[in-house]
This record gives sequence, structure tokens and C-alpha cells, in this order.
Amino acid sequence: AQTVTQSQPEMSVQEAETVTLSCTYDTSESDYYLFWYKQPPSRQMILVIRQEAYKQQNATENRFSVNFQKAAKSFSLKISDSQLGDAAMYFCAYTPSGTYKYIFGTGTRLKVLA
Amino acid sequence: DAGVTQSPTHLIKTRGQHVTLRCSPISGHKSVSWYQQVLGQGPQFIFQYYEKEERGRGNFPDRFSARQFPNYSSELNVNALLLGDSALYLCASSKDRGANTEAFFGQGTRLTVV
Repeated sequence: AQTVTQSQPEMSVQEAETVTLSCTYDTSESDYYLFWYKQPPSRQMILVIRQEAYKQQNATENRFSVNFQKAAKSFSLKISDSQLGDAAMYFCAYTPSGTYKYIFGTGTRLKVLA
Repeated sequence: DAGVTQSPTHLIKTRGQHVTLRCSPISGHKSVSWYQQVLGQGPQFIFQYYEKEERGRGNFPDRFSARQFPNYSSELNVNALLLGDSALYLCASSKDRGANTEAFFGQGTRLTVV
């Protein structure tokens, strides 16, 4: 079965510091996509970053970067220079290539302390 | 351009009733997916529609049904509501049906069954 596990229900970080959110997944597929989505209190899921499994280079988007370890099936998100607006639920998601169904983890609530 | 719009934003129903949730995708997007997010959990895939045809279904009972209209908007119908159907229902649209295209989420409909 394809599953996504986020083992940290909640994390806290001081403003301007760096935090890493963990995600592991289980799949027998070789080609797939991984995502980090942010869900603020407004409820709208916002794409933070995306990684194609066939790319060895880790994706980066401004202050957000990932550490993708395909053999270990690990996909962590690093947020640098944390800002108050980063406070939200963060969901890791997986989908096999050629399909349409996102499989989400249970989420990590990130608190940013001023 | 308007994002993905969902209506209503909130509603309360009684057990045994029927409910219809609506979603308008981003202009030019032909794929609409529905997810159920129970409080404290990640979203669970319910359906995907692409070009007005069902392309995928998650592990949900037959009480759940959906359709997509010629203008690519979509409805999610739930019959014989149960207390356990209380959740945030999210709609996501994308240009294509595959995982290589970004999915954009609406703000969801919060359904409470009493």
C-alpha cells in the first residue's frame, strides 16, 4: 500500500531560524511526484514545493528546500529564515506518475514564535 | 483570474439528509478532484473527473457521487448523511489529469452533520 507518514504532529521555530519537517513514504513505484502543501487557517491548500522522483537534484523555492532521499523514501522540508506567515499545517503528499490521486500525510502543525 | 471557488463555505445538515457541494475550477482547467479532510487528518481522495468523465474513485461508499458539467464545474453529492461525514470537503482543479500538472485547491466546504 502507498502511504505517507509525518511523524511530527507539531513543531515550533523561532522567527528567522531554520526548521525541518520530516516525511517518509512507502511505494513500489519508481516514477512519482512528491509535494509539500501548506494549509493556513484560511483552509486553502497552497503548494509549497514539488519534487519529481526521477530528478536527483533537490528542489528549492526561495526559503523552502527539500532533502529527497529516494532510497530511504524520505522527503523532508527545510524552511529557512522562518517568518510569522509560515505558521500553518504542512502536508506531505505523494502521487505516482500518470495518475491523479494525491496521498497525503497527517500533517505537521508549524508554530512560529516571535 | 479567479481561483478555485467552492460553495457553500459552511453548512449544517441532519443525519439521513442529502447534500450537494459545488466547485468551479480555474478557467482552462479540465480536471476536478474532490477530497475529504476529517479534523486532524490529511485530505483523502474521493473522486477525479476529467473531461466530464470519472477517472478515479477513492475508497468511499456509494453514498458519495459526483459529476462534471460541460463548463468543467463539478458537484459532489452525498446521500443518507452520517455523523462521520462531517468534514472539510476540498476541490482541486488542474489543467490536465496527470500528476505532472499542479493542482490548485479551493477553500473548501465545511460540512457538519448533526
